Amino acid sequence: GAGVSQSPSNKVTEKGKDVELRCDPISGHTALYWYRQSLGQGLEFLIYFQGNSAPDKSGLPSDRFSAERTGGSVSTLTIQRTQQEDSAVYLCASSSGTSGGPKLFGPGTRLTVT
Amino acid sequence: DAKTTQPTSMDCAEGRAANLPCNHSTISGNEYVYWYRQIHSQGPQYIIHGLKNNETNEMASLIITEDRKSSTLILPHATLRDTAVYYCIVRVAPSGTSGSARQLTFGSGTQLTVLP
Repeated sequence: GAGVSQSPSNKVTEKGKDVELRCDPISGHTALYWYRQSLGQGLEFLIYFQGNSAPDKSGLPSDRFSAERTGGSVSTLTIQRTQQEDSAVYLCASSSGTSGGPKLFGPGTRLTVT
Repeated sequence: DAKTTQPTSMDCAEGRAANLPCNHSTISGNEYVYWYRQIHSQGPQYIIHGLKNNETNEMASLIITEDRKSSTLILPHATLRDTAVYYCIVRVAPSGTSGSARQLTFGSGTQLTVLP
């Protein structure tokens, strides 16, 4: 497709379970970003991938969070042993290397931890 | 990062221009003004950005004051689909660095409601 896609669109999981969220960036975009947005809150940076460089993981809130980007394209955000405070919309964005930041966001994955 | 202040909410009549203000009095010389919006239940959408000159694209115009301490986003002919929360942020915009990604942290924004 022409835009950033994310799956699943909604995920309900029990506390303590692991979840994987997927992001398909725009083809050819070298930069990929993960953010999360809690209800009524602004955007919180999580992790950033740029080409083959080591990712910037400085926004990950705990070691339960990890992300990888295989082949410079699809990315997976994994949350282990989910907690209720992990409930949020997880947003992925991608951009070309020279765009100066994310411009195109995916629709997000709404994660609910019960 | 320079902080921004925006009104909590604004209304605008359909077909009229929507003018959304943003104050960024502590902006640094190398920081750009970016505008995004978020329609309910959707991901953020980039609108426009600028450094000191006024900018225009197919979505909006951005007017930045000469002292760069404030700016106005103008939607020339607002439609009902423009109802959204509009975020003004300031950040350095180097090419694809992690610093620019971290700086994309939205505040509370302005809820623009376009009325029929």
